[in-house]
Amino acid sequence: KNQVEQSPQSLIILEGKNCTLQCNYTVSPFSNLRWYKQDTGRGPVSLTIMTFSENTKSNGRYTATLDADTKQSSLHITASQLSDSASYICVVSDRGSTLGRLYFGRGTQLTVWP
Amino acid sequence: EADIYQTPRYLVIGTGKKITLECSQTMGHDKMYWYQQDPGMELHLIHYSYGVNSTEKGDLSSESTVSRIRTEHFPLTLESARPSHTSQYLCASSESEREALSETQYFGPGTRLLVL
Repeated sequence: KNQVEQSPQSLIILEGKNCTLQCNYTVSPFSNLRWYKQDTGRGPVSLTIMTFSENTKSNGRYTATLDADTKQSSLHITASQLSDSASYICVVSDRGSTLGRLYFGRGTQLTVWP
Repeated sequence: EADIYQTPRYLVIGTGKKITLECSQTMGHDKMYWYQQDPGMELHLIHYSYGVNSTEKGDLSSESTVSRIRTEHFPLTLESARPSHTSQYLCASSESEREALSETQYFGPGTRLLVL
């Protein structure tokens, strides 16, 4: 069964600190992996996208890594800000159809305190 | 900021009422999607469309229906709302690209529905 598991479920950190969110998946055949940020009451916004040939991708203070062999990804946030408080969702796409079926994780709820 | 809009943002309605959730995008995207999301849970695809006059059911069984008469408009309708329909509904769109690996979905702000 294709699945996407994220950890931790929730995380609280102090402003200025770094943190790392984890994503493990069993989706096969693998096409790409995206990290989305979803602010409370808003729709998800894409942060990064990686294919199987890429093992790291940065977007400002966000750096995503991918190990396609172990089927693991991480999202590292550097020098956290209050505006980073949100749910971070890992989304994996397969190559099984023209739709590029997406498998969503439940997200990690990050809270940044001042 | 993606140009995709949903109305209403919040809706409280009684059981048995008919409701339509609106979704519009101005990016000219061919593909559009409806997702259902409960608090702390993953998004579930309930409907999608490849283009005008194309609609398909998603993974999650839903009593809702959709239509795609215009490229920019993808409304979702519940003929008779029930408390079990209480959830957040997210609309998204993506551009059909030759290289599907780079296809990214752009999400609207969502509609929070409460059925009493």
